[in-house]
Amino acid sequence: AQKITQTQPGMFVQEKEAVTLDCTYDTSDQSYGLFWYKQPSSGEMIFLIYQGSYDEQNATEGRYSLNFQKARKSANLVISASQLGDSAMYFCAMREGRSNQGGKLIFGQGTELSVKP
Amino acid sequence: GAVVSQHPSWVICKSGTSVKIECRSLDFQATTMFWYRQFPKQSLMLMATSNEGSKATYEQGVEKDKFLINHASLTLSTLTVTSAHPEDSSFYICSARVRPTAYEQYFGPGTRLTVT
Repeated sequence: AQKITQTQPGMFVQEKEAVTLDCTYDTSDQSYGLFWYKQPSSGEMIFLIYQGSYDEQNATEGRYSLNFQKARKSANLVISASQLGDSAMYFCAMREGRSNQGGKLIFGQGTELSVKP
Repeated sequence: GAVVSQHPSWVICKSGTSVKIECRSLDFQATTMFWYRQFPKQSLMLMATSNEGSKATYEQGVEKDKFLINHASLTLSTLTVTSAHPEDSSFYICSARVRPTAYEQYFGPGTRLTVT
């Protein structure tokens, strides 16, 4: 069965510094997708970045990058130049199979990031 | 980007009553929508996959008769919590994909249900 693990319940980072949020996954499927979502205190889930299992390059979206290490089954999120507005809960998620096969997501436990001024 | 709305954003109901939550895709058609449940400080747990024009697919452990899902059109899915009890109090979130092959899911703002 697929599983997503986020081992950092909470993280602190100084404003303008970079921070890495850890995520490991377990799946027997060869085709899968990995996602990171941000959930502010308001509750909405904001899509940040996506990495497909066959993508050879690490995904990047502005200040977000995904450090994808397939052999280690890790998909860490790196946020560069942290801002106060980055304070939120961050969830790693995985979709097994190709995009056109189901599409349900399994989420990790989440990491609460606090950015200090 | 794609917009998903939910209504109501919060609801308080008495134990034993039923409450309906709507999930709408505003600027796209969604053949598949997903319903999640989230307890405070916890992760999102998938409850069911809602398919337009057919029965929903429920995850293991989710009571089908308690959480009724109807996906009557390409832009609307509803979740009805029947005979609600205090333990059903939670944050319910829906999501949808812009098209069947799209990888990203767009989430609604969530509905906070409190059962007294």
